[in-house]
Amino acid sequence: SYELTQPPSVSVSPGQTASITCSGDRLGNKYASWYQQRPGQSPVLVIYQDYRRPSGIPERFSGSNSGNTATLTISGTQALDEADYYCQAWDTSMVFGGGTKLAVL
Amino acid sequence: EVQLVESGGDLVQPGGSLRLSCAASGFTFRNYEMNWVRQAPGKGLEWVSHINTGGSTIYYADPVRGRFTISRDNAKNSLYLQMNSLRGEDTAVYYCASGYSSSWVDYWGRGTLVTVSS
Repeated sequence: SYELTQPPSVSVSPGQTASITCSGDRLGNKYASWYQQRPGQSPVLVIYQDYRRPSGIPERFSGSNSGNTATLTISGTQALDEADYYCQAWDTSMVFGGGTKLAVL
Repeated sequence: EVQLVESGGDLVQPGGSLRLSCAASGFTFRNYEMNWVRQAPGKGLEWVSHINTGGSTIYYADPVRGRFTISRDNAKNSLYLQMNSLRGEDTAVYYCASGYSSSWVDYWGRGTLVTVSS
């Protein structure tokens, strides 16, 4: 079955750029999406179709996908961006990465 | 405003059954693909099942295939998950999740907790 791999944790200082990677076999040939989940809340879509932002998602969130790696980039990271982030793709089924805890220190 | 409201979660004994429901509003339900996604306590997201707009194409994750059944009623703007032969590892918050494409999820409900324990 298809697998997506994320680093368990990423740390960033306020105002700096955070990058979260997601690796999967030929992931660049599929659409990658990203979800933000704050503690005690439901996930929220922040990136879909590799780089598109849903309405209401700040411009500081961006995405890319090429080769075997998709990347979520958060520019000018704020304290409220501290959350778990999950990548997701569709192979023969929906697949989620294991999640990355973003700490804004 | 888009709303997905799950119900039906409960404490159930191993081997028991539950039926989850999801009431959708604020969008054209019949045009959206639907999923159930679960999250065990302290764990990550796990996709459970998918159904297309008309209900003719259905997929299941391996751990639930043969035990869970997804269905939808477009006239009632509702999604369902019949869960049989429940196991401890099925304990999780179950989210109803919609997507205009099968490739991603646009909206998530708040979830309903299923606890399988004796």
